[in-house]
Amino acid sequence: GAVVSQHPSWVICKSGTSVKIECRSLDFQATTMFWYRQFPKQSLMLMATSNEGSKATYEQGVEKDKFLINHASLTLSTLTVTSAHPEDSSFYICSARVLNEKLFFGSGTQLSVL
Amino acid sequence: KQEVTQIPAALSVPEGENLVLNCSFTDSAIYNLQWFRQDPGKGLTSLLLIQSSQREQTSGRLNASLDKSSGRSTLYIAASQPGDSATYLCAEGFGDNNDMRFGAGTRLTVKP
Repeated sequence: GAVVSQHPSWVICKSGTSVKIECRSLDFQATTMFWYRQFPKQSLMLMATSNEGSKATYEQGVEKDKFLINHASLTLSTLTVTSAHPEDSSFYICSARVLNEKLFFGSGTQLSVL
Repeated sequence: KQEVTQIPAALSVPEGENLVLNCSFTDSAIYNLQWFRQDPGKGLTSLLLIQSSQREQTSGRLNASLDKSSGRSTLYIAASQPGDSATYLCAEGFGDNNDMRFGAGTRLTVKP
């Protein structure tokens, strides 16, 4: 099956710093990429949807200035958590899809903000 | 508010048992329904995808069904193994962009 690579797997940072998470589709070109966050024992929550070359569409309640998404190519999307705070600590996971096919997920990034 | 609900939240069974995981959804305008497996530290793995025009999909020991009229999907696992222990998530695809709405998952433990 298709492979989506997500880096880093985990990151610890100080409050106030910015963290960038990369999501790459390795063997296919993803027309759409999605970013989710998951708090412990809760379901995945969609944060934003991005299509290559256009601005991301953010879900209600997600701050676009805090969670910057760049989808510069058909194989790469990045999520930057700006000025991270402890409440941003969460599991972030990306997924990628070609048209209406299956969704393939990255392995996720555990972010801990001290 | 549209929701996806999974019951039970946790399930523990002995090895070899057949089991069924349930997923219900309230949005009748579903595009597709997908079942995932989530292992700690390994992200999500797609197991089965059922389009809205389909009734079921099978892969090995897994069989997933979709009943749009009742808003239900089930994942059937035959002859469970300890390696099947994981959290299983269902997600409905909806909207023009085929966004996904996830259930909270069922945490399955298969005891040897």
